[in-house]
Amino acid sequence: NAGVMQNPRHLVRRRGQEARLRCSPMKGHSHVYWYRQLPEEGLKFMVYLQKENIIDESGMPKERFSAEFPKEGPSILRIQQVVRGDSAAYFCASSPLAGSSYEQYFGPGTRLTVT
Amino acid sequence: AQTVTQSQPEMSVQEAETVTLSCTYDTSENNYYLFWYKQPPSRQMILVIRQEAYKQQNATENRFSVNFQKAAKSFSLKISDSQLGDTAMYFCAFMQGGSEKLVFGKGMKLTVNP
Repeated sequence: NAGVMQNPRHLVRRRGQEARLRCSPMKGHSHVYWYRQLPEEGLKFMVYLQKENIIDESGMPKERFSAEFPKEGPSILRIQQVVRGDSAAYFCASSPLAGSSYEQYFGPGTRLTVT
Repeated sequence: AQTVTQSQPEMSVQEAETVTLSCTYDTSENNYYLFWYKQPPSRQMILVIRQEAYKQQNATENRFSVNFQKAAKSFSLKISDSQLGDTAMYFCAFMQGGSEKLVFGKGMKLTVNP
């Protein structure tokens, strides 16, 4: 059973471009979480999605950021018009069911660098 | 809002020694979960151990154990017989019962020396 997969692992974008980060959850997992890790910081929750639904986006910046988890295909975190402050590692996690009893399995992360 | 504090930014230990990583948290809730995650140089986040707040018994996973002091809101991780592969960033995390969000501390860099 493959783990959580994220691609690309490294992404370089110029200021003003769009960044698309992909996350394929573990097989059988229908819950996806995105976290952001700024340099020298812990991970910060961004958004929680189930298939075709955003459940909690309280950690998402109000502008330029969006996330989706379609019925088919990976979850996508989209950042429009990137700025230098968006440079960070973005981690995706998945779990089989909702609830604190279920471990969130993390992917290897995507390191975004904005030049 | 819940907060997690790891006051030691960095520690080093000799191989085979025991080391304790400290973590405190702040919450007004009674139902919650606590976690320690390891992030080696590969940056993959790996769950080391978890503790349910309603359980009085401290969690143990092989060489890893916790000292959970609920009244003091303290959740320290003890690593026994340290190995070189334990070198990593260690993050303490909190999850409120019924929530799906993990709240992380800033992390602590542990180096195990040969």
